[in-house]
Amino acid sequence: GQQVMQIPQYQHVQEGEDFTTYCNSSTTLSNIQWYKQRPGGHPVFLIQLVKSGEVKKQKRLTFQFGEAKKNSSLHITATQTTDVGTYFCAGITTSGTYKYIFGTGTRLKVLA
Amino acid sequence: DGGITQSPKYLFRKEGQNVTLSCEQNLNHDAMYWYRQDPGQGLRLIYYSQIVNDFQKGDIAEGYSVSREKKESFPLTVTSAQKNPTAFYLCASSIDPRLVSSYNEQFFGPGTRLTVL
Repeated sequence: GQQVMQIPQYQHVQEGEDFTTYCNSSTTLSNIQWYKQRPGGHPVFLIQLVKSGEVKKQKRLTFQFGEAKKNSSLHITATQTTDVGTYFCAGITTSGTYKYIFGTGTRLKVLA
Repeated sequence: DGGITQSPKYLFRKEGQNVTLSCEQNLNHDAMYWYRQDPGQGLRLIYYSQIVNDFQKGDIAEGYSVSREKKESFPLTVTSAQKNPTAFYLCASSIDPRLVSSYNEQFFGPGTRLTVL
């Protein structure tokens, strides 16, 4: 079945270091979304990318959608302790059912 | 306040009992979803509904049932057939996901932690 994998599964960084998580789909996606889930909380929407090769920035966060619309990345510059949480990508399929496929997530810990 | 609510936050049940988790939204969203999350894991889709009186199985529908009689409500029943029901259950809603050009982000409820003893 369709899968969306994320790497790495875990990442520990010192505060101020950069962080990147990668998302790879087995099939082409209509668009891709990124969510953040704080420990004990629920996922919160960050951004959506639709176009091939699209790049969007939100302050210290940079999001990219691959040219083939099968991969994406989230890069955080100069991490802060408030960045702690699990980051998920979610792709919408083009197979007619239009359901979301969530990635496996990357858990980020930031050491002060 | 507009949003999506789930109740209860914590739920304990004995093995062999059916239990129904509530999910209500006042965002006027057409689509609603149920996900299961196990410790340290991602979100797995149980059921989803794109319109009232219609729903589709997700990747792990066995042992679960849903109904969508009203646009605002999408209750999930965890039946005794579900072999390992202890998990964190998340409900979400969005505008029609087929509208790719629109911002069809999912809004999540706070979740229900179900423990089966």
